[in-house]
Amino acid sequence: DTGVSQDPRHKITKRGQNVTFRCDPISEHNRLYWYRQTLGQGPEFLTYFQNEAQLEKSRLLSDRFSAERPKGSFSTLEIQRTEQGDSAMYLCASSLIAGGLGDTQYFGPGTRLTVL
Amino acid sequence: TQLLEQSPQFLSIQEGENLTVYCNSSSVFSSLQWYRQEPGEGPVLLVTVVTGGEVKKLKRLTFQFGDARKDSSLHITAAQPGDTGLYLCAGFNFGNEKLTFGTGTRLTIIP
Repeated sequence: DTGVSQDPRHKITKRGQNVTFRCDPISEHNRLYWYRQTLGQGPEFLTYFQNEAQLEKSRLLSDRFSAERPKGSFSTLEIQRTEQGDSAMYLCASSLIAGGLGDTQYFGPGTRLTVL
Repeated sequence: TQLLEQSPQFLSIQEGENLTVYCNSSSVFSSLQWYRQEPGEGPVLLVTVVTGGEVKKLKRLTFQFGDARKDSSLHITAAQPGDTGLYLCAGFNFGNEKLTFGTGTRLTIIP
């Protein structure tokens, strides 16, 4: 399967702990996005990378959140000092931007975070 | 801030019936995408519409983009239990580079 993969699929942690999620995009895709989805809502944009450069961060991304894409391939999203309000599904998506064509984003299965 | 409102929020109908889901905004989008999401999974792309007034068909699903590119609809004919899921519309604008998702419509088809 050559789709977007995310690891882990589920994470349960205690308040105050740090967690890190990984996303492997579709091979050759130059853009990688992170979204957060709470129960019953649509996904909300967090941040995105073009190759290894982080080009935009949402106001939703507090100082406790950091994302990296060091070699322009996989990405990690770290949450420090987790809070119960961080409980959500964290979704990763990737796309190929080429010559001004439209952006079609392909999503991974998500990481479900539960903060106790 | 661009917002996409979907209606209805919840819909439960019998197998074989037809239904329409609406996605409305006060903002113009370069393109609009429809996704279906199963519980515990990521959204799966169904279609992208780009041109105002465009109609796309995917088997029993018909998608329409409004003339002004501010709204869209999804019509399902003869719904089947396999159509059950969360349907999400998402708008995209060049230069904004991120998807703005709608509030979602949770569809349940009763056998």
